[in-house]
Amino acid sequence: ETGVTQTPRHLVMGMTNKKSLKCEQHLGHNAMYWYKQSAKKPLELMFVYSLEERVENNSVPSRFSPECPNSSHLFLHLHTLQPEDSALYLCASSRKGLQEITEAFFGQGTRLTVV
Amino acid sequence: GESVGLHLPTLSVQEGDNSIINCAYSNSASDYFIWYKQESGKGPQFIIDIRSNMDKRQGQRVTVLLNKTVKHLSLQIAATQPGDSAVYFCAERGDTGRRALTFGSGTRLQVQP
Repeated sequence: ETGVTQTPRHLVMGMTNKKSLKCEQHLGHNAMYWYKQSAKKPLELMFVYSLEERVENNSVPSRFSPECPNSSHLFLHLHTLQPEDSALYLCASSRKGLQEITEAFFGQGTRLTVV
Repeated sequence: GESVGLHLPTLSVQEGDNSIINCAYSNSASDYFIWYKQESGKGPQFIIDIRSNMDKRQGQRVTVLLNKTVKHLSLQIAATQPGDSAVYFCAERGDTGRRALTFGSGTRLQVQP
């Protein structure tokens, strides 16, 4: 276990549904990330939060909405997704010094299927 | 958890042999690199890292080599074991605020018993 926990592990949702992915870390890290891993592309960075403030949004569609209420929790709210959004969504956290990321620890991921 | 469907280069080795996995990176300003291992159904797991002011770093059974001249990174695994079978990714920290890692597409390592 890496200390980063994601729930649920698997999720099947319809295109009109609203669901949320949850990530929790108790490593004392102050930066958290959402990555997308799909069948045809390498790991893609979606969002970066540092000290609960979103510092990067990699041109992600608005149907994905992140929320970081505190340094230990990160959510990804999903609504009106498309089948091509089916992927493994990975949360990661890291300890940042001088605004620079060091190694990121990943959760097990949520396997999302949009039908 | 691996990138099923993505055409990954595959390295097949015999148990006990040494493995060398290569990665080419594109950003000459990258100053920090990590190797990750991803087993089926799991998230990427940190293996070893190296900063750009070094050209070699050793861990337990693993060694990372960095050649900044040709922007090449390699991971050497000594005495490869069946449990080493996984997809291996290199990641780099570039110069866009140094806030996040950029990942390569990965190499699948298959260890034959």
